[in-house]
Amino acid sequence: DIQMTQSPSSLSASVGDRVTITCRASQSISTYLNWYQQKPGKAPNLLIYAASTLQSGVPSRFSGSGSGTDFTLTISSLLPEDFATYYCQQSYSGPPITFGQGTRLEIK
Amino acid sequence: EVQLVESGGGLVQPGRSLRLSCAASGFNFDDYAMHWVRQAPGKGLEWVSAISWNSGRILYADSVRGRFTISRDNGKNSLYLQMNSLRAEDMAFYYCVKDSNHFGSGSTSYMDVWGKGTTVTVSS
Repeated sequence: DIQMTQSPSSLSASVGDRVTITCRASQSISTYLNWYQQKPGKAPNLLIYAASTLQSGVPSRFSGSGSGTDFTLTISSLLPEDFATYYCQQSYSGPPITFGQGTRLEIK
Repeated sequence: EVQLVESGGGLVQPGRSLRLSCAASGFNFDDYAMHWVRQAPGKGLEWVSAISWNSGRILYADSVRGRFTISRDNGKNSLYLQMNSLRAEDMAFYYCVKDSNHFGSGSTSYMDVWGKGTTVTVSS
């Protein structure tokens, strides 16, 4: 199984900050990496697919990069609505299709 | 509007069965793979099962293989999850999810539409 490890598990930041979340795969997954945002009590929402492609309707302050085993999600300037939990997910091989454990982004 | 609506969740005793349904609308259901993803209270996302567009490829997580069965009826635009021999650790919020491609994995695979979910509680 491919394990996905996110860091940090939680992060405190302020509105306007630039933040970066990292996702590491236990083996190479090329660019088969997707990012989701989940707000409390809501279903996850796709942000980025194929490591760096912004899903339609997602603000451009979100960006993704990486290939192989190391990936990052960057939010260039935090807005209040960005405080949520973020998950990476690999679609390289399955079963299982695996998610990272999540990164909770909190207001400082 | 693209929409997925889950139903069938509820309270069930350990060892019993439950069947989840998901009604899809607003897109060509039979063109896409579908998934079930669950989330235990306060925990992260766990992929449960996937089914390709024509039911020719079916995948399960080890934790549910042999107990859960995924199926779809393209004529009814519906996805199902038959859950047997339920355990306390199956208690979670279950999401029906649309994949972006036919097969549910690969470079063009991502989960682009999520339902609101349905709660499964396993307790005596």
